[in-house]
Amino acid sequence: GNSVTQMEGPVTLSEEAFLTINCTYTATGYPSLFWYVQYPGEGLQLLLKATKADDKGSNKGFEATYRKETTSFHLEKGSVQVSDSAVYFCALIGGARQLTFGSGTQLTVLP
Amino acid sequence: DTAVSQTPKYLVTQMGNDKSIKCEQNLGHDTMYWYKQDSKKFLKIMFSYNNKELIINETVPNRFSPKSPDKAHLNLHINSLELGDSAVYFCASSQGDGLASPLHFGNGTRLTVT
Repeated sequence: GNSVTQMEGPVTLSEEAFLTINCTYTATGYPSLFWYVQYPGEGLQLLLKATKADDKGSNKGFEATYRKETTSFHLEKGSVQVSDSAVYFCALIGGARQLTFGSGTQLTVLP
Repeated sequence: DTAVSQTPKYLVTQMGNDKSIKCEQNLGHDTMYWYKQDSKKFLKIMFSYNNKELIINETVPNRFSPKSPDKAHLNLHINSLELGDSAVYFCASSQGDGLASPLHFGNGTRLTVT
């Protein structure tokens, strides 16, 4: 079956630091890949997505590149802000057409 | 306008009680979901409905019963509540399976069973 593995949190960074949250996946076929973000007290919302190999998704300064050779979709941001503090979920939709989430990574950015 | 709204926001109840959580979406989506998020933020799908028909029913105790009176509503009824049911429950909706258009989530219902 499909699965998503994220780096364990929590991750704590200072403002303007570089962020990487690792995500690898297992799926049959060619899944579409997503990053969702959950701000405190809210539901998840889509941050970015990529639907085929070598695609780069980007939004709000965050980027992730679909790497089929390493089955990865790592999330990066060059300079984080306090307002980026949230839980980040990597996810995929594969052949079963069902969204599978990773376990989430808590990010805290300190001023 | 809230796209996916669920009520109540907080629910505190005793073991053995029966409770319901309501969800409504005004996005015109044809698919609705219930997810359970535990204290470690792990998110697990419970049910998915497409056009009022159940399409995903994960391994969930039959004490949990979803009901979809129409495409815009998916309610969750829980019988004989147990301590382990304490969690945050999220309703979500999408057009189709979430591939072409993303899932839209409600803000969650924090259920505490004492």
